[in-house]
Amino acid sequence: AQKVTQAQTEISVVEKEDVTLDCVYETRDTTYYLFWYKQPPSGELVFLIRRNSFDEQNEISGRYSWNFQKSTSSFNFTITASQVVDSAVYFCVHSGNTPLVFGKGTRLSVIA
Amino acid sequence: DGGITQSPKYLFRKEGQNVTLSCEQNLNHDAMYWYRQDPGQGLRLIYYSQIVNDFQKGDIAEGYSVSREKKESFPLTVTSAQKNPTAFYLCASSIKRRLTNTEAFFGQGTRLTVV
Repeated sequence: AQKVTQAQTEISVVEKEDVTLDCVYETRDTTYYLFWYKQPPSGELVFLIRRNSFDEQNEISGRYSWNFQKSTSSFNFTITASQVVDSAVYFCVHSGNTPLVFGKGTRLSVIA
Repeated sequence: DGGITQSPKYLFRKEGQNVTLSCEQNLNHDAMYWYRQDPGQGLRLIYYSQIVNDFQKGDIAEGYSVSREKKESFPLTVTSAQKNPTAFYLCASSIKRRLTNTEAFFGQGTRLTVV
């Protein structure tokens, strides 16, 4: 069965530090997607990025970057020069032939 | 604007009562989902539907029921059989391409409290 592991439960950093959120997944699907979502204190889930299993190219979007490595089944997320507004819970998610499977999330606290 | 609407945002229920949470989407998505989130936890799948008039149980379906009579709507009923219903409920929808689900778009959630 599909499984997503986010080993870091909580991370605290000081503003302007870089931080990497780890994600490891298990899947039997040959075609699948991986996502990251952000959940701020208000509770809604905000979609950040999608990666399909055939595209291992890393992506950068502003201060956010993602490293997808199929060989290690990892899809890590880095925030560069973190800001207080980045404080939230971040979820790594797998989607294939079955509905979305969520990791348990990493709570990031950025301290001013 | 296209999106997913959940209502109400806050809901209080007395023990022993059934309650229905609304979820409507105008994104023309085929698949819809209900997730439950407990404090400090990830999201757990309650029910999902890939097509109208069809739905499947997720990991924690006991004490819940759903219907999918229209593509746009996927209401969730929390029955009195659900022993611990106080939680944050999120509805989502997604497009299914070649058997694979794309990213899901979420509503703003309903916070249910049993009093």
